[in-house]
Amino acid sequence: QKEVEQNSGPLSVPEGAIASLNCTYSDRGSQSFFWYRQYSGKSPELIMSIYSNGDKEDGRFTAQLNKASQYVSLLIRDSQPSDSATYLCAVGGDNNDMRFGAGTRLTVKP
Amino acid sequence: SAVISQKPSRDICQRGTSLTIQCQVDSQVTMMFWYRQQPGQSLTLIATANQGSEATYESGFVIDKFPISRPNLTFSTLTVSNMSPEDSSIYLCSLMDSNTGELFFGEGSRLTVL
Repeated sequence: QKEVEQNSGPLSVPEGAIASLNCTYSDRGSQSFFWYRQYSGKSPELIMSIYSNGDKEDGRFTAQLNKASQYVSLLIRDSQPSDSATYLCAVGGDNNDMRFGAGTRLTVKP
Repeated sequence: SAVISQKPSRDICQRGTSLTIQCQVDSQVTMMFWYRQQPGQSLTLIATANQGSEATYESGFVIDKFPISRPNLTFSTLTVSNMSPEDSSIYLCSLMDSNTGELFFGEGSRLTVL
């Protein structure tokens, strides 16, 4: 079974701080990695995708990938209360399927 | 990006009945999937909806319980058959960008079975 594991959370950070979300995966052959944000009662929304080792930055979000360690992370700088949501790590599979982690609930406190 | 419309957005159903969820995309897409999200849980892939052929189901999901249709490249349906309270979930239609592997979701259909 191909597994995607995330910090169970919940994670609480003060407004303006950096939120760090972590994810590990079991399938060493995985090539595509994604972070989704899901607000309560809403469907998941793609916020970052990363395919090669290193960092990828998009505004306040930075995704980090280390394939040797089978590790993906998401950093949110200058966290805002509107960032409060559940963040889902997802890993692309061989058959174009995608596996999701259980999600980490983030709360940003004003 | 494509617009994905699902209906119904929510429904309350009686045990033993069946419900069909529709997914309409405003452009042709090759890869469409159906996911389930049980309360407080993450997303679980039910099946890949294949255009013009039988869906490909994940372990634990069977066609008799979750029949799927995909008559063309813009439309799919998922039926939840002979429902029980354990089927109470959000059901999500999704499509994949074949170039990036990115997955995009419809608004979801929240199903409650009494």
